Amino acid sequence: AQTVTQSQPEMSVQEAETVTLSCTYDTSENNYYLFWYKQPPSRQMILVIRQEAYKQQNATENRFSVNFQKAAKSFSLKISDSQLGDTAMYFCAFMVTGTASKLTFGTGTRLQVTL
Amino acid sequence: GAVVSQHPSRVICKSGTSVKIECRSLDFQATTMFWYRQFPKQSLMLMATSNEGSKATYEQGVEKDKFLINHASLTLSTLTVTSAHPEDSSFYICSARLLPDSYGYTFGSGTRLTVV
Repeated sequence: AQTVTQSQPEMSVQEAETVTLSCTYDTSENNYYLFWYKQPPSRQMILVIRQEAYKQQNATENRFSVNFQKAAKSFSLKISDSQLGDTAMYFCAFMVTGTASKLTFGTGTRLQVTL
Repeated sequence: GAVVSQHPSRVICKSGTSVKIECRSLDFQATTMFWYRQFPKQSLMLMATSNEGSKATYEQGVEKDKFLINHASLTLSTLTVTSAHPEDSSFYICSARLLPDSYGYTFGSGTRLTVV
C-alpha cells in the first residue's frame, strides 16, 4: 500500500516570497506519478504540477517547481514569487502507472499568502 | 481541457430522503470515475471507483447500499445518497481519470450536501 505524508498542516508566506511545501511517500513500486493539487476556497481541485518517477529532471510550471528525490521518496513543491491567489490547500498525490489506479492523497498543507 | 461538470453544487435535504449527484465528462469519455468525500479541513477520502457498464468498487467501510453509484455511459456517473442522515452531510467530489496516465485526473467542482 502507498502512503503520502505532508508534515506541514499550515504554512504562511508573504507576497512575492518563496515557500516550499514538503511531501514524502512510501511505496514499493518503481513506476509511478506524483502530483501536486491546489484546492482554493472554491473547493475546485486544480492540478499544479506533475512528475513522472522515471524522469530525473524536476518538473517546472512557471512559478511552481518540484524537488523530486526518488531515493529519499521526497517530492517537495516550491512556489516562487508567491501571489495572493496562491492561498489554498495543497495536496500531494501519488498514482501507480499502468492500471486503473486511484490517487493516494496526503493530508494537505494550508498555505496562506499575506501582504 | 478535459472538464467534469458536477451538479448540484449545493443541496439541502431532509433526513430520510435520497439525493442524487451527477458528474458528466463534457469533452472526453470517462471509462473510470472516482467518488470522494471530504470533511472540513481534511483530505479527500476515496469512496468508490466506478467503471462504465459494470458495478462500482467500494472502499472498505463505505456502505454500498447507502451510496449507490451508477456509471451507465461513458460521460455520466451518478452518486445517490439513500436515506440520508445528518452524518452524511459532507462535501462530495467526483473525478475522472485522464489518459495518458501522466495527465492524472480531472475533478468536478464538488457538491456540498447538508442533511437536516
